[in-house]
Amino acid sequence: GNSVTQMEGPVTLSEEAFLTINCTYTATGYPSLFWYVQYPGEGLQLLLKATKADDKGSNKGFEATYRKETTSFHLEKGSVQVSDSAVYFCALSVTGNQFYFGTGTSLTVIP
Amino acid sequence: EAGVVQSPRYKIIEKKQPVAFWCNPISGHNTLYWYRQNLGQGPELLIRYENEEAVDDSQLPKDRFSAERLKGVDSTLKIQPAELGDSAVYLCASSLDYTKTQYFGPGTRLLVL
Repeated sequence: GNSVTQMEGPVTLSEEAFLTINCTYTATGYPSLFWYVQYPGEGLQLLLKATKADDKGSNKGFEATYRKETTSFHLEKGSVQVSDSAVYFCALSVTGNQFYFGTGTSLTVIP
Repeated sequence: EAGVVQSPRYKIIEKKQPVAFWCNPISGHNTLYWYRQNLGQGPELLIRYENEEAVDDSQLPKDRFSAERLKGVDSTLKIQPAELGDSAVYLCASSLDYTKTQYFGPGTRLLVL
């Protein structure tokens, strides 16, 4: 079946610290992989995506590389800001069909 | 460009009462999704529409949930009667078609007492 497993939170970091949120997946077929972010009181927003192995998605200083050999799509940012505080969801989609979301990882960045 | 609009943003009802949620997708988006997000969990798909047609409703509890998308634009999700376990955030999303990126609305937070 299709599923996503991401590291449990909450994660608390100081401003300018390095961020890694782990995400691994299982999928039938060749999935596309996504990171969505949910700021307090708002809906989910697409942060970045990758559609095939070795692709790197990037946006707003965040990066994630589609690793087929380790079935992973870890989210990284070199220097987090207070405004990055949110819940981050890893997700996959196989041939554009149903999305499968992870349980979310809450990030709090303190000044 | 306006995003996905949902209303109401919050709803508190007593169990056994009916409740309805409304969604207006991004203009031109043919595919519309309803998700339920329980506390501390990721969204789970309830139903997907391609224009007016419900093409995936396998996760919709049909004994109490219903949905419609008249004219292939706005959509309404209804629960009747509501149960305590229905307390969750109900998210609507839309995309140009099912292969494209989904854009989410802010959600409706439902509390059933």
